[in-house]
Amino acid sequence: SQTIHQWPATLVQPVGSPLSLECTVEGTSNPNLYWYRQAAGRGLQLLFYSVGIGQISSEVPQNLSASRPQDRQFILSSKKLLLSDSGFYLCAWSVQPPEAFFGQGTRLTVV
Amino acid sequence: DQQVKQNSPSLSVQEGRISILNCDYTNSMFDYFLWYKKYPAEGPTFLISISSIKDKNEDGRFTVFLNKSAKHLSLHIVPSQPGDSAVYFCAGGYNKLIFGAGTRLAVHP
Repeated sequence: SQTIHQWPATLVQPVGSPLSLECTVEGTSNPNLYWYRQAAGRGLQLLFYSVGIGQISSEVPQNLSASRPQDRQFILSSKKLLLSDSGFYLCAWSVQPPEAFFGQGTRLTVV
Repeated sequence: DQQVKQNSPSLSVQEGRISILNCDYTNSMFDYFLWYKKYPAEGPTFLISISSIKDKNEDGRFTVFLNKSAKHLSLHIVPSQPGDSAVYFCAGGYNKLIFGAGTRLAVHP
């Protein structure tokens, strides 16, 4: 069966520090991969999605970047975090429509 | 540009009654629509979906209705149970999923 791992579960980082969140999927090949963010009291905003290795589409201009170095690995990064980067970050995967499956999320607090 | 809108931030329903959650969309490219349920500090879990060529899909207590001419869909939960209390997100999809802002459902005894 397919599983998705996302870590860490919680993270507190100072303003200006770098960020690296990792997501890996097991049990499937060539999935579509997604990073979403849920800010406090807000909906799920699509940040990046990838249909293959090295293929990244950015949905919203911002202080973040994404990379897909391997088929089932998706990484969210920042060189210098801002206070506004705080939120709940979710990785998801899908193989074919309709549904996408989500990880447990990372609560990022920038202080 | 909000492609998917959930205009009701919250809904309160008595146990055993029907819960109706609504969603509007603007993007005509969506091939399918989905509903997710989310608890705090967890990832959303998939509930039910509907293809854009259908107008109804049912799964147990959950039914989704799609009105393409009105660009509107709704999720009906019958009967509502206290365990249904959560935030519900609708989403439209083609090669990616676009979510609404969510509706917090509270089912009280």
